[in-house]
Amino acid sequence: AQSVTQPDIHITVSEGASLELRCNYSYGATPYLFWYVQSPGQGLQLLLKYFSGDTLVQGIKGFEAEFKRSQSSFNLRKPSVHWSDAAEYFCAVGAGGSQGNLIFGKGTKLSVKP
Amino acid sequence: GAVVSQHPSRVICKSGTSVKIECRSLDFQATTMFWYRQFPKQSLMLMATSNEGSKATYEQGVEKDKFLINHASLTLSTLTVTSAHPEDSSFYICSAWGDSGANVLTFGAGSRLTVL
Repeated sequence: AQSVTQPDIHITVSEGASLELRCNYSYGATPYLFWYVQSPGQGLQLLLKYFSGDTLVQGIKGFEAEFKRSQSSFNLRKPSVHWSDAAEYFCAVGAGGSQGNLIFGKGTKLSVKP
Repeated sequence: GAVVSQHPSRVICKSGTSVKIECRSLDFQATTMFWYRQFPKQSLMLMATSNEGSKATYEQGVEKDKFLINHASLTLSTLTVTSAHPEDSSFYICSAWGDSGANVLTFGAGSRLTVL
């Protein structure tokens, strides 16, 4: 069965520092992979997605993620974090190869120190 | 871009009453809508998938008689929590998939249900 693991429950970084949020997935074929951000009490906003092609994908707000098949990973990165990036981040995989039915990881809460 | 509106954003009700949450796709036709539930500090759990004009498909462990889902049009799906109890208190989020051209799932802002 498909699954998504986000090993870090909570990460704190200083403003201006680089960020990497880890995501590992379990899926037999090439997955559809997503990163979403959720601010408190809000819905989810898509940061970026990977379907095929170039394994380094660029998203909104300066985020990028790299698909590594050998490691079953899709880590999210940002070179310089802003205070407004503090939020909950969810990695997701399209269940059964679907782009619509998603399985989410448990999320990583990002705190940003001034 | 594709927009999904969810209403109400917050609702408080008494135990035993029913609550309806609406999910609308504002600028595209949503052939499929998904309903998720999110417990505090946890991830989203898919409750059910609804396709316009047909019965919803519920995930294992989700009571279909308690969580009634209707997807009567291509722009509207509703989730009705029947005979709500305090343990039904949660954050409910819908998402829509359709012909928006964006080729991605669009999420609503969520509805916070509190059952007293």
